[in-house]
Amino acid sequence: ETGVTQSPTHLIKTRGQQVTLRCSSQSGHNTVSWYQQALGQGPQFIFQYYREEENGRGNFPPRFSGLQFPNYSSELNVNALELDDSALYLCASSQTGVTNEKLFFGSGTQLSVL
Amino acid sequence: SQQGEEDPQALSIQEGENATMNCSYKTSINNLQWYRQNSGRGLVHLILIRSNEREKHSGRLRVTLDTSKKSSSLLITASRAADTASYFCATDVDDYKLSFGAGTTVTVRA
Repeated sequence: ETGVTQSPTHLIKTRGQQVTLRCSSQSGHNTVSWYQQALGQGPQFIFQYYREEENGRGNFPPRFSGLQFPNYSSELNVNALELDDSALYLCASSQTGVTNEKLFFGSGTQLSVL
Repeated sequence: SQQGEEDPQALSIQEGENATMNCSYKTSINNLQWYRQNSGRGLVHLILIRSNEREKHSGRLRVTLDTSKKSSSLLITASRAADTASYFCATDVDDYKLSFGAGTTVTVRA
């Protein structure tokens, strides 16, 4: 078990709605990365936050946005939901965010868009 | 797009047997990581191997890396039912971004 917690665990929304997913990072970690995992696929990098600033972004449209708070917890916001946004959303925390260290993943939020 | 690809997509073995899965990637890397995922839950880090390393061990896990062939393998020895999971390799695309493959699903039969 990692110290990374995500909420909610499951969520059902309809197309066009907006959603906010939350993540608390492991103690001592100042970096949070968000990944989207479609069914049967590997996780795809959405973006990373380091000390409250976006530190990098994957190939996702601007309707995917995020925040990191002073306590290093983070939110992922998705506007104008589309059916293809249905996926498992994973957050991962790390100490510095560089790729030569391991990531600690939460259990994910399963989002279904109807 | 995903840089890494695991092979095979699925593997079914008897308890006690060894399981081997491979990962191929396209661009040069600084390090490669392997993760395990149980039933669509969060990923658990297994092992990290750096580009200047050829082999690494952790308990029943053995990872090799061949940078000339842009490939890595993960061997699980003496498999147990608890090893049933999906296994992903992840490579560093840049300083902060990991690229995951589509994974190998391993089923260990009792």
